[in-house]
Amino acid sequence: SQQGEEDPQALSIQEGENATMNCSYKTSINNLQWYRQNSGRGLVHLILIRSNEREKHSGRLRVTLDTSKKSSSLLITASRAADTASYFCATDAGGYALNFGKGTSLLVTP
Amino acid sequence: EADIYQTPRYLVIGTGKKITLECSQTMGHDKMYWYQQDPGMELHLIHYSYGVNSTEKGDLSSESTVSRIRTEHFPLTLESARPSHTSQYLCASSETLSETQYFGPGTRLLVL
Repeated sequence: SQQGEEDPQALSIQEGENATMNCSYKTSINNLQWYRQNSGRGLVHLILIRSNEREKHSGRLRVTLDTSKKSSSLLITASRAADTASYFCATDAGGYALNFGKGTSLLVTP
Repeated sequence: EADIYQTPRYLVIGTGKKITLECSQTMGHDKMYWYQQDPGMELHLIHYSYGVNSTEKGDLSSESTVSRIRTEHFPLTLESARPSHTSQYLCASSETLSETQYFGPGTRLLVL
């Protein structure tokens, strides 16, 4: 069953702006991961944050995790046209596989 | 780039044909997965494997079957393709169940 739920479903911004997308989930997790998918391609892992971590950075990416609210956010700073993609959160709730959300579609225009 | 490969990348085939989608990885991962994804939609897990000779059905019921005879190879077979099988099929692998999954580029299947 799908546990992660991203919002917004779609986001359109201009180059240079920041993009923020959110993920909410329902049960306790061990970790939460964010993936990017370019159109028609496979997913690429971006960042993993564990349940005992609150914030993590990787280049222009900043991920936060609030386990009390069962939510995470992904911030992409100074966005570029190449950041145009769909972004998925995935949770590890101790099951047999990760649970992927429905994704946020990000469009960055020049 | 992850060392996980899928062939073919695109396949157009008629109803009733048998097809096999290939997936191979060179990372020595025990865990492998097949997902089905319609354009712009979420991923649905259809099969997974813990290792050689292990195959399990995922969350979404699928008429496809899989096999895992070698660690690096996890092919998916449709005995009789139907238009309802039209979708993108993504293969992935991971070292453990909870850690990073590495995805192949996907196979886009169109059944006429």
